[in-house]
Amino acid sequence: EDQVTQSPEALRLQEGESSSLNCSYTVSGLRGLFWYRQDPGKGPEFLFTLYSAGEEKEKERLKATLTKKESFLHITAPKPEDSATYLCAVQGEWGAQKLVFGQGTRLTINP
Amino acid sequence: NAGVTQTPKFQVLKTGQSMTLQCAQDMNHEYMSWYRQDPGMGLRLIHYSVGAGITDQGEVPNGYNVSRSTTEDFPLRLLSAAPSQTSVYFCASSPQGPEEQYFGPGTRLTVT
Repeated sequence: EDQVTQSPEALRLQEGESSSLNCSYTVSGLRGLFWYRQDPGKGPEFLFTLYSAGEEKEKERLKATLTKKESFLHITAPKPEDSATYLCAVQGEWGAQKLVFGQGTRLTINP
Repeated sequence: NAGVTQTPKFQVLKTGQSMTLQCAQDMNHEYMSWYRQDPGMGLRLIHYSVGAGITDQGEVPNGYNVSRSTTEDFPLRLLSAAPSQTSVYFCASSPQGPEEQYFGPGTRLTVT
């Protein structure tokens, strides 16, 4: 059974204070790992797809990286508008038409 | 493009009542899905469809039915509502598979 665990559950940072969110996964053959951002009261919004260990993707202050067991979402010099819940999901070989999501990390950036 | 739309935004049901949550997309996407989101549990897949006339079960399908008669619409039916179905429901779509899905704004359902 594919599983995704995200840590920490919640993270509070000061504006400009860089940090990383973790997504650990077990999957029967990884087809893709996905990061989404979710603002309160809204649906998730797609950020990145990673396919293989060593791959990296960047968007503004966010950089996602992937190893064989986990993915990190690095946030560099965050701003208050980066406050959101960040969700990680995996697509495995056996459940190729399904995503399995982690429980999310709630990030708060204080000005 | 309106993207993915969901109606209603809020709904209160009594135990045993039935209802249909509507979902529509105008992007000609083949893949559509329904998730529920509960505090501390992330998003869990209820049902999904890879094209008109084709549906399959996700992780938590019990108590829910779906059908896909057109590419655009993917309604979710609650047959006999139970308090355990109190949740926020999201519909999503993508061009081919579950990768890079576009999510709707959600329906907040309370069953008393």
